[in-house]
Amino acid sequence: DVKVTQSSRYLVKRTGEKVFLECVQDMDHENMFWYRQDPGLGLRLIYFSYDVKMKEKGDIPEGYSVSREKKERFSLILESASTNQTSMYLCASSTTLAVSYNEQFFGPGTRLTVL
Amino acid sequence: RKEVEQDPGPFNVPEGATVAFNCTYSNSASQSFFWYRQDCRKEPKLLMSVYSSGNEDGRFTAQLNRASQYISLLIRDSKLSDSATYLCVVGKDSSYKLIFGSGTRLLVRP
Repeated sequence: DVKVTQSSRYLVKRTGEKVFLECVQDMDHENMFWYRQDPGLGLRLIYFSYDVKMKEKGDIPEGYSVSREKKERFSLILESASTNQTSMYLCASSTTLAVSYNEQFFGPGTRLTVL
Repeated sequence: RKEVEQDPGPFNVPEGATVAFNCTYSNSASQSFFWYRQDCRKEPKLLMSVYSSGNEDGRFTAQLNRASQYISLLIRDSKLSDSATYLCVVGKDSSYKLIFGSGTRLLVRP
């Protein structure tokens, strides 16, 4: 079974702090994604990586950066956390093999609260 | 206009009922379509892919109408365990990115 893990389930940070969210997948997937999920807005793509050291902005990249130094690990960085970044953050991965039809596998999520 | 639109619900149905969810998408170049299920405070998980010919998995049937850019999910003989939010998901043209609808909430009561 594909397993995607995230470093924390719950996180509380203060405004202005630098925040690191870590995601690890164990299925050798090429693609990794970071989303945030807010009530009524659904999942919104923050950043996407299709290979090591490669990244692409999603729909809402402002205030975020990412790092992918190893294939299995994709980190989301909030350079200076703000209260409007309080949200559920979900990491996902997928393979480029056509047989998967783009299915994405999700981690359990990190609920971040910025005070 | 949202790229993927769903009725947020909630749909409140008795056990054993048949319930249908609909979804519309705006990008005619989309190539892949899915229904995901998300339980409260959990991550989304794939329920089923949706093919042009329609597909069935037990009590669940998904249909795709490319001409109308419309996807549906039918659940027959609803169980209490079907209570969840159902996300309509569409591939963003030919890339690996997916666009998620906001979800339709289903509550199945005894």
